[in-house]
Amino acid sequence: RKEVEQDPGPFNVPEGATVAFNCTYSNSASQSFFWYRQDCRKEPKLLMSVYSSGNEDGRFTAQLNRASQYISLLIRDSKLSDSATYLCVVINTGNQFYFGTGTSLTVIP
Amino acid sequence: DVKVTQSSRYLVKRTGEKVFLECVQDMDHENMFWYRQDPGLGLRLIYFSYDVKMKEKGDIPEGYSVSREKKERFSLILESASTNQTSMYLCASSLSVLRVQYFGPGTRLTVT
Repeated sequence: RKEVEQDPGPFNVPEGATVAFNCTYSNSASQSFFWYRQDCRKEPKLLMSVYSSGNEDGRFTAQLNRASQYISLLIRDSKLSDSATYLCVVINTGNQFYFGTGTSLTVIP
Repeated sequence: DVKVTQSSRYLVKRTGEKVFLECVQDMDHENMFWYRQDPGLGLRLIYFSYDVKMKEKGDIPEGYSVSREKKERFSLILESASTNQTSMYLCASSLSVLRVQYFGPGTRLTVT
């Protein structure tokens, strides 16, 4: 079983839609979680950290479900500029870190 | 802002050549990483370094070596480039393994 798994998509959604991605992890001792965004042919950049209580940054909401061992990213009111690949990162107590393979999102006019 | 720079954006080399990819960060980060990224495979860790002159193998170290003589600089070396090393190479740095990694712009290497 992979340490981190993401649905590769692609997710094609119309502008204004709400879309959510999940990222499941296998190690229950995982302690730090992040979402990165990667535009086509560019480097990954931090989108947001994921906190235990959940956190929001504008149209983006990140949540952690420890019982089911997944993190989620919710994007509300999708914009064309949200089109990108979204990568999750999970870090466990042994300081081992794992990147998901990414979920591709295309927002359609 | 953290800045991670890589020596080349695009590189074309011939099979058997020795290739050097250089990465420099300006934020005094302890940790530096080299990844390659291929379609459908995501980011794969080649090597990382948690201190000067220290290195750890990642998931796919075969065919690669690294050098970290100064804290801000981490080099990836392909001793004898092969066509299956054609890829996007990304360098990253972080204050600690638990913290955010900041990536350089990447080097797209083609080995012919």
